[in-house]
Amino acid sequence: AQTVTQSQPEMSVQEAETVTLSCTYDTSENNYYLFWYKQPPSRQMILVIRQEAYKQQNATENRFSVNFQKAAKSFSLKISDSQLGDTAMYFCAFMKGNSGAGSYQLTFGKGTKLSVIP
Amino acid sequence: ETGVTQTPRHLVMGMTNKKSLKCEQHLGHNAMYWYKQSAKKPLELMFVYSLEERVENNSVPSRFSPECPNSSHLFLHLHTLQPEDSALYLCASSQDRRLKQYFGPGTRLTVT
Repeated sequence: AQTVTQSQPEMSVQEAETVTLSCTYDTSENNYYLFWYKQPPSRQMILVIRQEAYKQQNATENRFSVNFQKAAKSFSLKISDSQLGDTAMYFCAFMKGNSGAGSYQLTFGKGTKLSVIP
Repeated sequence: ETGVTQTPRHLVMGMTNKKSLKCEQHLGHNAMYWYKQSAKKPLELMFVYSLEERVENNSVPSRFSPECPNSSHLFLHLHTLQPEDSALYLCASSQDRRLKQYFGPGTRLTVT
């Protein structure tokens, strides 16, 4: 079974600064996908960024980038130039790549509550 | 908005009641999911339907009964719930499980 650990329950960052959220995972799979989802207060959860394990290049989406360290099973999210709208719960998630039993299982961490301070 | 809607948004029910949660997507997706989100716990996948066939059932108590009549609609039928079932129930859909899931706003359920 896969596990996802987010060791920072809460974090804060000044507006326009950079913050990094940590995520580690445990799996015996070699083919898998990693995700960061964002859940703003009272709003719908949306995907922030996605990484395919077989790609060495770190994924980036505008101000969001990841540091994917496959050997260390680490998948941190960096938010640059933080904005007030980035205030949200951030969830790291894992999905195995191969089809078959459990292939639809998206395993989430407990989340990190990020507050952007004006 | 993500294109996934859920009704009702809030529900209070007694332990002997029967109610249903509804989820709807018109994104053309072929997989739909039910999750339970409790405080201080990770999101828990409850059920997954792919092409209207249940493909995941994560040891969920039988007091939760899913139904997927077509690829656009998903229901969660509730009966004789317990107070510990109080949580936010999220619906999601996807076209390809390896890509992103689109989440609804959730139904905040309180069992009294």
